[in-house]
Amino acid sequence: RKEVEQDPGPFNVPEGATVAFNCTYSNSASQSFFWYRQDCRKEPKLLMSVYSSGNEDGRFTAQLNRASQYISLLIRDSKLSDSATYLCVVPLVSSASKIIFGSGTRLSIRP
Amino acid sequence: NAGVTQTPKFRVLKTGQSMTLLCAQDMNHEYMYWYRQDPGMGLRLIHYSVGEGTTAKGEVPDGYNVSRLKKQNFLLGLESAAPSQTSVYFCASSGAGFTEAFFGQGTRLTVV
Repeated sequence: RKEVEQDPGPFNVPEGATVAFNCTYSNSASQSFFWYRQDCRKEPKLLMSVYSSGNEDGRFTAQLNRASQYISLLIRDSKLSDSATYLCVVPLVSSASKIIFGSGTRLSIRP
Repeated sequence: NAGVTQTPKFRVLKTGQSMTLLCAQDMNHEYMYWYRQDPGMGLRLIHYSVGEGTTAKGEVPDGYNVSRLKKQNFLLGLESAAPSQTSVYFCASSGAGFTEAFFGQGTRLTVV
């Protein structure tokens, strides 16, 4: 099993829709989780951190389910500008902060 | 605020040539990372460092070497470039503990 796995995508949804992605992780000892956003040919940038059960920032909600070992990202009222690739990130406790990225979920918002 | 700076930003190499990519960070971060990203794929960890003078292998270390002689710099070397190493290379740094990683703008490398 991969250390971090994401929904493969791509997701193609209309503007205004609600969309959710999942990310599963294999190391049950992981303490923190991150969602990054990456625009085409640019560097990834932090979108949200998740340290406990979840986090909310405007239209974006990240939730953590430790029992099932997954985190999710929910985007409400999606905008055209939300089109990007969303990367799940899990630092590995057992490997001295080795940071592993999921392969990313591509989201495309259509007018 | 410079953050993480990568040089060069673009490079074309011939098969068999060598080169070094430089990553510099001014945030006094302990941890530094080198990733590669191929078209349509996620980031794969090549090597990382948890402090000055230390390095460790990531997911795809073959064909690359690294050095962290100074805390602020993390160098990635290709001794004999191959077309399979054509990719976008990202450097990142983070503080000790499980904190946000900051990325450089990437180096687009083509090996012909």
